[in-house]
Amino acid sequence: DIHLTQSPSSLSASVGDRVTIACRASQDINTYLNWYQQKPGKAPNLLIYAASSLQSGVPSRFTGSGSGTGFTLTISSLRPEDFATYYCQQSYSTPRTFGGGTKVEIK
Amino acid sequence: QVQLQQSGPGLVKSSQSLSVTCAISGDSVSSNNAAWNWIRQSPSRGLEWLGRTYYRSEWYYDYAASVRSRITINPDTSKNQVSLRLNSVTPEDSAVYYCAIYSSSSYAFDMWGQGTMVTVSS
Repeated sequence: DIHLTQSPSSLSASVGDRVTIACRASQDINTYLNWYQQKPGKAPNLLIYAASSLQSGVPSRFTGSGSGTGFTLTISSLRPEDFATYYCQQSYSTPRTFGGGTKVEIK
Repeated sequence: QVQLQQSGPGLVKSSQSLSVTCAISGDSVSSNNAAWNWIRQSPSRGLEWLGRTYYRSEWYYDYAASVRSRITINPDTSKNQVSLRLNSVTPEDSAVYYCAIYSSSSYAFDMWGQGTMVTVSS
């Protein structure tokens, strides 16, 4: 199975901050890496697919980059509605696997 | 706009079976462009993919090794829904269960059901 390690596991930031979340894969997964946002009591919501493609309806302040084993999700200017938990997920092989999550909290 | 509506009991006794159904609107369970997945989430296990079914001239099934001996995913074309059955449950199976569409265009889970919280009582 492909293991995904996210860092940090949590962070505190202020509205307007630039935030970067990292995801490292245990083997080369090309660009088969997706990012999701989850708010309490809700299902995860797809933000970025194929490492860097913005899902329809997702604000452009969210960007994804990377390939191979290292990936990042960047929020260029944090807004109040962005405080949530973010997960990476690989679609290179089955079983599909997820990272452990990064909780973005208000400073 | 595809929508997934889940239903199922919230409380199950140990050793019994858990069943959750996902009703699909706006797409067909027999679509050649989608796969129908079940994913669960718990504090101890995080997000865990359980399995999938998809139709490409015939039905295919894949299951996670951790539940392979206990799980069945069943598409129902007459009702346009997909169901999850997990046998011989223990308290470790307590989780929020989600159905999700895996799109062949994005290679991602681009639509999720609302989730069903299932508690297994000992």
